[in-house]
Amino acid sequence: AQTVTQSQPEMSVQEAETVTLSCTYDTSENNYYLFWYKQPPSRQMILVIRQEAYKQQNATENRFSVNFQKAAKSFSLKISDSQLGDTAMYFCAFMSLYGGSQGNLIFGKGTKLSVKP
Amino acid sequence: EAEVAQSPRYKITEKSQAVAFWCDPISGHATLYWYRQILGQGPELLVQFQDESVVDDSQLPKDRFSAERLKGVDSTLKIQPAELGDSAMYLCASSRLVTGELFFGEGSRLTVL
Repeated sequence: AQTVTQSQPEMSVQEAETVTLSCTYDTSENNYYLFWYKQPPSRQMILVIRQEAYKQQNATENRFSVNFQKAAKSFSLKISDSQLGDTAMYFCAFMSLYGGSQGNLIFGKGTKLSVKP
Repeated sequence: EAEVAQSPRYKITEKSQAVAFWCDPISGHATLYWYRQILGQGPELLVQFQDESVVDDSQLPKDRFSAERLKGVDSTLKIQPAELGDSAMYLCASSRLVTGELFFGEGSRLTVL
C-alpha cells in the first residue's frame, strides 16, 4: 500500500521569503502522479502543482516549484516570494494509475504554513 | 468558473441520528469522490464513483455509511446511525478523467454530539 509522509506539521515564513515543504512517499509502482494541494482556512482545496513520475523535469507553476527525487521517493514544494495569501494547509498526495486505486488520492497529514507580514 | 457544490455546509446532530450530505460535481465530470477529513489529518477516501458505478468503497464503513449516484450526476452520502467518531469534514471531489485533477467542494462539516 502507498503511504505519504509530511514530517513538518507547521511552518512559518516571512512575506517575500522562500520556504520549502517536505514530502516523502512509499510505493512499488514505477509510474504515478504526485500532487501538492492547498487548503486555505474555510475554503476548498485547490491544486497547486502536479508531477508525473515518468517526467524527469521538475514541475513549475509561477512561484511554486517542486524537487522530485524519484529514487529517494521525495517530493518537496518550494514557494518563492511568499505572499500572505499562501497561508494555508498544504497536502502532498499520491495518485496510483493502476488497478482498483486508480485515480484515488492518498494524502499526507499536511503542513500548516503561516506567512507573516 | 464551475465548482463542486456541497450541502449542507455545517451539520450538528445527535448520536444515533441519521444524516445525509449532497454533492453536485462539475458538469461533465464522470468521476466523483467522497473523502473524510478528520481535524488535523489529510483526507481519506470513502468511496469513488465512475458515472453511476462504485469503483472503490473499500474504506466505507458499510454498516452505517451508504453512498449513491443514481443518474451518474449528483451524489448523496448517508450515515445512519451517526456516532461520535463520525465528526469530521466530508469532502466531495470530481474529475473529468479518472487520473485527472480532482476539484474539491467546500465540504460539509459534521459535528456529532
